Amino acid sequence: AAGVIQSPRHLIKEKRETATLKCYPIPRHDTVYWYQQGPGQDPQFLISFYEKMQSDKGSIPDRFSAQQFSDYHSELNMSSLELGDSALYFCASREGAGEKLFFGSGTQLSVL
Amino acid sequence: DAKTTQPPSMDCAEGRAANLPCNHSTISGNEYVYWYRQIHSQGPQYIIHGLKNNETNEMASLIITEDRKSSTLILPHATLRDTAVYYCIVRVIQGGKLIFGQGTELSVKP
Repeated sequence: AAGVIQSPRHLIKEKRETATLKCYPIPRHDTVYWYQQGPGQDPQFLISFYEKMQSDKGSIPDRFSAQQFSDYHSELNMSSLELGDSALYFCASREGAGEKLFFGSGTQLSVL
Repeated sequence: DAKTTQPPSMDCAEGRAANLPCNHSTISGNEYVYWYRQIHSQGPQYIIHGLKNNETNEMASLIITEDRKSSTLILPHATLRDTAVYYCIVRVIQGGKLIFGQGTELSVKP
């Protein structure tokens, strides 16, 4: 069965650079969620989209922005990267009013 | 969404049942109990969910007390691959995002 695809798997950036993370949800899933997980931390909700509109917002820094496109894939754009942005970034998707969220394998971002 | 309380860590012998408790004393009538797990650095994985009746699937069983203030996730025959952090999350059935609190780090030992 198709799963949530995230790219890239690993990303290394330097301070003050920008990064773009991509998420391809499971086919027919119209809702996407982004999470950030720092070292030794629990996943923290950042933002979500439903039918290409922002549906909820968590502790997402102003330096970050995200959008969902017409094909339902989503991108998380991160600017002016800081050392503290080093984390695992997970994307999850859900179909309509489905009961479950399905998570991707994550993007490991390292800011040097 | 109601808050949950779980023990930070537990050990279990391989082949034995792992019983992971969760307290959610402030759960509302329309909130479900969800369990997810995260194997090291992988994306969280759905295990099971329930409202008030006990539930069982191919992965685990979920026992919810009659007053719904606590629940137990049961892995009937734990294997080394079940070593993970287990999260108990309470939310309405179509409540969108999951809020992860402190989960239980389960170590299955040979």
